[in-house]
Amino acid sequence: AQSVSQHNHHVILSEAASLELGCNYSYGGTVNLFWYVQYPGQHLQLLLKYFSGDPLVKGIKGFEAEFIKSKFSFNLRKPSVQWSDTAEYFCAVNAFNYGGSQGNLIFGKGTKLSVKP
Amino acid sequence: ETGVTQSPTHLIKTRGQQVTLRCSSQSGHNTVSWYQQALGQGPQFIFQYYREEENGRGNFPPRFSGLQFPNYSSELNVNALELDDSALYLCASSPGGLAEETQYFGPGTRLLVL
Repeated sequence: AQSVSQHNHHVILSEAASLELGCNYSYGGTVNLFWYVQYPGQHLQLLLKYFSGDPLVKGIKGFEAEFIKSKFSFNLRKPSVQWSDTAEYFCAVNAFNYGGSQGNLIFGKGTKLSVKP
Repeated sequence: ETGVTQSPTHLIKTRGQQVTLRCSSQSGHNTVSWYQQALGQGPQFIFQYYREEENGRGNFPPRFSGLQFPNYSSELNVNALELDDSALYLCASSPGGLAEETQYFGPGTRLLVL
């Protein structure tokens, strides 16, 4: 079955530290990849997505992610985190035609990021 | 804000009861997906509706059912509630349900089954 693994449950960083959150998926076919973020008390919102083209994708608020097909990975990075980046981050995969439809997502369990001021 | 709203925000039910959760999608979005998020887990796909027809389903039993209406509103119904149904229920809308589209999530309804 298709699945998404996020390696870190909780990451604690100081401001200005660099961030890398791991995401691996298990699906051999065509995939679209997403990172969603949930700030405290807010909705899940899209951070960035990859569906074709340049495997290095830039998103909002200085985040980027790199799709490495050979490693089935889509890691999220940010060179210098801020206190306002404190949130929960979810990696998600849309595996074409999983569950009989195109547009549904398989999520990882999420990584909580705490940034100390 | 995503333009997707859900009601109620919180709900407490007892085992065996039935519950209806509601979602209002962004105007013009023909697709709504429902997800269940248990504590400490990522959202898990329940099913998707496109133009009022079920368009895909995850690994959930038939007691989870849904409806989508022409006015961009939708419902998730759960019959014969079980304790394990306690979770945050999220709806997400998108224009056409295509794989590369962004899904816009609502704030969720937190259901507690006692």
